[in-house]
This record gives sequence, structure tokens and C-alpha cells, in this order.
Amino acid sequence: DAMVIQNPRYQVTQFGKPVTLSCSQTLNHNVMYWYQQKSSQAPKLLFHYYDKDFNNEADTPDNFQSRRPNTSFCFLDIRSPGLGDAAMYLCATSARGSPYEQYFGPGTRLTVT
Amino acid sequence: AQSVAQPEDQVNVAEGNPLTVKCTYSVSGNPYLFWYVQYPNRGLQFLLKYITGDNLVKGSYGFEAEFNKSQTSFHLKKPSALVSDSALYFCAVTTGGFKTIFGAGTRLFVKA
Repeated sequence: DAMVIQNPRYQVTQFGKPVTLSCSQTLNHNVMYWYQQKSSQAPKLLFHYYDKDFNNEADTPDNFQSRRPNTSFCFLDIRSPGLGDAAMYLCATSARGSPYEQYFGPGTRLTVT
Repeated sequence: AQSVAQPEDQVNVAEGNPLTVKCTYSVSGNPYLFWYVQYPNRGLQFLLKYITGDNLVKGSYGFEAEFNKSQTSFHLKKPSALVSDSALYFCAVTTGGFKTIFGAGTRLFVKA
């Protein structure tokens, strides 16, 4: 089945220690998104890629970076995680932008100690 | 600015009874409206969307939603709730482009 896969599902990192979260998709979608979700709140868009074009949300901290080496893979890098970065990180894809629906991965729950 | 309001943090319903989860929106321009469901420790799952056309939209698992332009609402409904419908439901809106605005979510509890 076509899907969005996130690894790892659970990640523990130390305060200030760089961490990378990964996402892969078999849907062959052009758009990939990264969201941050805290405590069952609304997901907050960090950035998205349309093909190779990277689009950062204005309020996304510089601490968060992303890479998309090819259509299938996308990475979220947190350069110096703080305690406030502990959250669920969701990867999503869509065929195009609006009004196409998004397909979400299961998420990676990040703990910062 | 675009916004979505889900006025109820939680909705409780007995199994077999109809359920409604409310959503209102505020956008400039024509809205594209979505409902997603999230089960514990899982990503969001698409249920249904309204783009244009019939105001009543049918989606997955027997859910439907009614678009009401005059009331700027897009309430999610199901005629007969199941215990397995218990989850967190998000309403979302976009007017184009890539940014989707999600509501704060409504937790649905269906009691057997």
C-alpha cells in the first residue's frame, strides 16, 4: 500500500544535541510538509517542499532545517533541541497544494532530556 | 487572516446515536474545507473535503459534512456513532496554496 513512513517513531535526544527525523513516501507526491504538534493541539506547519522548492513558514525557528534529497525522502534537522521542542513531528504529503488533501505519516514523538 | 474554530473541546455521545462535531471558519475568498481524524499516537487521517458543488459531502467511515456558506460552517456528522469513532477530530481550511489552517481539535468520546 502506498504510504508515508516516519522513522523513528520515538526519538530521545539530549538538550542541544542535533537530531534528524526522517520521512519517506511511496505516493510519488510533489509536496511534502513538516508539522509540529504539541499535546494534541492543532498541527503547526514548519515548512514544505514543492518538488525541490523549499518554503519556510515565517515563524519557524532557525533551529529547524529540512532537506529533500529526492522525491521520496524528506528530513527534519533540529540543530540544537531545546526542552520546548519536545513534540510530535508529523510528515505529510499531497499531490499538489490546495485543494488536495494531505496524507500523514504516523509521526515521530521527540523527547528532549 | 484565515482561521478555524472548533467551539467544543469534547463531544460525548452514546453508541448508536447521531453525532455532530462543529466547525466554523473565517477566510477571504472561497474556502476549501477538510476534516481529519487522529487516533492516539498516530498521524492525521483524511476523512472528507469540500471544494465546490453539493453542500453535503460524504466521506470515509460513514461520515458526512455540510457546508453552509451563510453561516460559514462545516459541521461533521454521522447518523449512528460507533465506539471506534472515538478520536480527535480536526477541521481545516485553505483558500489555495500550501498552507492549511487547522482548528484546535475536538475530542469525541462514544460510550457503549
